[in-house]
Amino acid sequence: GQQVMQIPQYQHVQEGEDFTTYCNSSTTLSNIQWYKQRPGGHPVFLIQLVKSGEVKKQKRLTFQFGEAKKNSSLHITATQTTDVGTYFCAGRSSNTGKLIFGQGTTLQVKP
Amino acid sequence: DGGITQSPKYLFRKEGQNVTLSCEQNLNHDAMYWYRQDPGQGLRLIYYSQIVNDFQKGDIAEGYSVSREKKESFPLTVTSAQKNPTAFYLCAEHLKVTQYFGPGTRLTVL
Repeated sequence: GQQVMQIPQYQHVQEGEDFTTYCNSSTTLSNIQWYKQRPGGHPVFLIQLVKSGEVKKQKRLTFQFGEAKKNSSLHITATQTTDVGTYFCAGRSSNTGKLIFGQGTTLQVKP
Repeated sequence: DGGITQSPKYLFRKEGQNVTLSCEQNLNHDAMYWYRQDPGQGLRLIYYSQIVNDFQKGDIAEGYSVSREKKESFPLTVTSAQKNPTAFYLCAEHLKVTQYFGPGTRLTVL
């Protein structure tokens, strides 16, 4: 079946360092969403990307959607301790319309 | 968040017992979802409902059942047939492009 793979599974960084997580789909996506889950919490919607090659920014966070609409990335510049949590991508299949979540990347930030 | 509540936050049950998890929303949205979250496996869809009195199986429906008798309520029953029920269960509602998640119920089967 369709899969959305997300890497890395875990990332430990020093505060101030950059961080990137990547998502790859086995099939073309109509859109991709990103969520953040704080430790002990629930996933919270961050953003949706729809267009091929789209880039969106939210303060220190930069989101990209690949030209082929099969991959995406989230980049955090100069991480802070408040960035700690698990970041999930979720791709919506162009064929089935189903939303499929990646496995998530858990970010730890050392102060 | 989208006005979705789940209770209780923590639930303990003995093996072999059925247990029902509550999910309520107060925003009159049609679509509701149940996900299961295990460490390192992301979110997996159990069941979803687009309209009252109708629901569809997700990717891992075996051992679970749901009902949608009212628009605001979408309870999930974890039956004794579910082989590995200990997990974090998340209910979500759909608004436009976004899924809003409830706070979740952490179920532990002893």
